[in-house]
Amino acid sequence: SQQGEEDPQALSIQEGENATMNCSYKTSINNLQWYRQNSGRGLVHLILIRSNEREKHSGRLRVTLDTSKKSSSLLITASRAADTASYFCATASMNTGFQKLVFGTGTRLLVSP
Amino acid sequence: DADVTQTPRNRITKTGKRIMLECSQTKGHDRMYWYRQDPGLGLRLIYYSFDVKDINKGEISDGYSVSRQAQAKFSLSLESAIPNQTALYFCATAGGKSTGELFFGEGSRLTVL
Repeated sequence: SQQGEEDPQALSIQEGENATMNCSYKTSINNLQWYRQNSGRGLVHLILIRSNEREKHSGRLRVTLDTSKKSSSLLITASRAADTASYFCATASMNTGFQKLVFGTGTRLLVSP
Repeated sequence: DADVTQTPRNRITKTGKRIMLECSQTKGHDRMYWYRQDPGLGLRLIYYSFDVKDINKGEISDGYSVSRQAQAKFSLSLESAIPNQTALYFCATAGGKSTGELFFGEGSRLTVL
């Protein structure tokens, strides 16, 4: 069963616009990670936010975490066509064991030129 | 050369055949994982290994077996393939003692006819 559920399932925007993806999870977590997957390729780690952190930045990426609502959001600012990919959140929690990640179902992002 | 290499990248086989997917890594990581990806279901954990002598079942281990031949090698076997094992399979590695980022291979696409 999935721990994380991403919303929306698909998102289509124009270059230069911001893209926001949300992730909700069910149990207490140790950390939450976001990954990117280009079509049919391996996943690439983007950013990790720990349970005691509320916001984190990396380049054009901004991640927030609200543990009271069990949710996280990934914001990509000034999107580019090259950002077209699927984005997955993944959680590490005491319930699943700290050394395992449980992935959500992903958000497909399409950025049009 | 890729840090995490999976072979074969694509395989078509018939029901009942034995199939082995291989994974090797040059990152020196102790932890290795096999995930399966199906459309709309995200990634699901099949097996994981924290070192050569430690192998654990994931959420969907039925019908699969693994072998950790060395720190750098982790193989996934389907003893008698069936059509619903058609999927994209990913090997991943992680270092350190706490849940950090996973490093993924490029995937092995398996089709069982």
